[in-house]
Amino acid sequence: DVKVTQSSRYLVKRTGEKVFLECVQDMDHENMFWYRQDPGLGLRLIYFSYDVKMKEKGDIPEGYSVSREKKERFSLILESASTNQTSMYLCASSITGQSSYNEQFFGPGTRLTVL
Amino acid sequence: AQKITQTQPGMFVQEKEAVTLDCTYDTSDPSYGLFWYKQPSSGEMIFLIYQGSYDQQNATEGRYSLNFQKARKSANLVISASQLGDSAMYFCAMRELTGYGGSQGNLIFGKGTKLSVKP
Repeated sequence: DVKVTQSSRYLVKRTGEKVFLECVQDMDHENMFWYRQDPGLGLRLIYFSYDVKMKEKGDIPEGYSVSREKKERFSLILESASTNQTSMYLCASSITGQSSYNEQFFGPGTRLTVL
Repeated sequence: AQKITQTQPGMFVQEKEAVTLDCTYDTSDPSYGLFWYKQPSSGEMIFLIYQGSYDQQNATEGRYSLNFQKARKSANLVISASQLGDSAMYFCAMRELTGYGGSQGNLIFGKGTKLSVKP
């Protein structure tokens, strides 16, 4: 059974703290993604990675960084958390390739509150 | 311009009735895929159904079917015989093949439709 796990379901942090969100997949997928979900805005791509140590900016990378040292793990880092980063964060993974059918498998999400 | 448009922020349907969730898309890529995901209140995204741009027939998966009208660039999700457990957010998404750099896996999501099934 395919699985994407995220380190926390709920997280509360203070403004200015450094925050790490961890994502692990056990499907040997090349691609991994971090999304942010806000009401009325859908899912917006923050960063993605198509290989170890490779990363690409998505639509809203400002205020975030990522790390992918191992194939199965993709970390999202908030260097100095701010209240406008309060949101639901979703991690996903998929295989790579030229087929238009590359289903993304999602983790359960992390609801982050920054006070 | 939005690439994926879901015009219905919220919808209600009576249990056991069918419901159609609208999705229109915008792309100049001849090869693309369209996906529907369900997100219950617990938060996880559940893949429902996929339609490829070259598929001749509309996709079906159990009670879910995709009404694909390529010329109109629409990919509406039809849920037959609604159940209380169908109450959730539903997202339409598109994947284009000609992405930049290594972006072959990227999905573009709509803003979602919240479906409520009434008993």
